[in-house]
Amino acid sequence: GQNIDQPTEMTATEGAIVQINCTYQTSGFNGLFWYQQHAGEAPTFLSYNVLDGLEEKGRFSSFLSRSKGYSYLLLKELQMKDSASYLCAFMDSNYQLIWGAGTKLIIKP
Amino acid sequence: GAVVSQHPSWVICKSGTSVKIECRSLDFQATTMFWYRQFPKQSLMLMATSNEGSKATYEQGVEKDKFLINHASLTLSTLTVTSAHPEDSSFYICSARRGESQETQYFGPGTRLLVL
Repeated sequence: GQNIDQPTEMTATEGAIVQINCTYQTSGFNGLFWYQQHAGEAPTFLSYNVLDGLEEKGRFSSFLSRSKGYSYLLLKELQMKDSASYLCAFMDSNYQLIWGAGTKLIIKP
Repeated sequence: GAVVSQHPSWVICKSGTSVKIECRSLDFQATTMFWYRQFPKQSLMLMATSNEGSKATYEQGVEKDKFLINHASLTLSTLTVTSAHPEDSSFYICSARRGESQETQYFGPGTRLLVL
């Protein structure tokens, strides 16, 4: 079967670093996506990993290990505007996105 | 960039009426469009996948006669919630995929539906 799991909520301090983990199980895999969703808004694309390793994009980095079914999103130099839900999703063999429930990130001053 | 618009952004209607939501890809041709529903504090739930010129593929548990999807052109898909009831109140989000299967989906801003 397919499933995907990420923590429900995390809290971090402004200026710090936070890592949001995502684990998944699937027989067919075509990449792992991270999206950011502010309350009341639609998701916005952050990153896409299809090969193992770390992809860095400014303050955000995303890591993938296909053998472990594991990904993380790393946010550095946290800002208050980073308070949002972060959704991980993998693309299955039918090129459908399978979504995690999202991790609500709370940034404290 | 890849911009997707949705209209309306907010709709309040009486129970029993029908509501149409439009999803447009503004600067690209979308071979595939997706319709999602999201309840508060929950993740996105895929309702249906539509390809231009063909019938939509509905996910299990989604009533195709209640949620009518039309993908008449490469830039426009519509979702009509027929005979809406309060339990249909939700955040409806469309997304569009430009071409190749592995491309990311670009999301519209969403439509918040409240059925009284």
